[in-house]
Amino acid sequence: GGIITQTPKFLIGQEGQKLTLKCQQNFNHDTMYWYRQDSGKGLRLIYYSITENDLQKGDLSEGYDASREKKSSFSLTVTSAQKNEMAVFLCASSINWANTGQLYFGEGSKLTVL
Amino acid sequence: QQKVQQSPESLSVPEGGMASLNCTSSDRNFQYFWWYRQHSGEGPKALMSIFSDGDKKEGRFTAHLNKASLHVSLHIRDSQPSDSALYFCAASEHSGSWQLIFGSGTQLTVMP
Repeated sequence: GGIITQTPKFLIGQEGQKLTLKCQQNFNHDTMYWYRQDSGKGLRLIYYSITENDLQKGDLSEGYDASREKKSSFSLTVTSAQKNEMAVFLCASSINWANTGQLYFGEGSKLTVL
Repeated sequence: QQKVQQSPESLSVPEGGMASLNCTSSDRNFQYFWWYRQHSGEGPKALMSIFSDGDKKEGRFTAHLNKASLHVSLHIRDSQPSDSALYFCAASEHSGSWQLIFGSGTQLTVMP
């Protein structure tokens, strides 16, 4: 088995601040994802990376940047945190982009903006 | 309108009872479905997929897909308190994982 590790688990920031979330996976999966989870709105895709050195925007990419530093790690940056923003950011991976939809998720990073 | 809609938003069943969750896709292109379960404080975990019309059974969990109506349901028999969680339906245009669209979830509570 493998594991996805997200850091930090809790992140508190100030309005306008740039904040970075990190994700590591040891599944040796090709594809990695960042989702945002808001209460009552399900999971929405922010960025994904099909393979190392690839970067693709999801439906919610505005206000975010991402970086796939190596096969095992994928970072997400909130470019300017919005006041009263509160959400959980979930990192996930899959064997590759064409596999049968099985995503493996980390435990999430909870963002609070004061 | 969300492409994947789930109902009910929340559901309570007694221990040992049957829980039934519903999901509908509003986009005819999204015909491949997954169910994910998320316990409090954890990330979602895949429960099962269903790509063909009819039933698919895995232990106490049965998924049913009707492609004509783009409706999928999840039935949990002999519900246990450990089944209490947020259940997501997800749909995609093909069996690949990169374009999964998630519904907003059904919160299931199983009462001892």
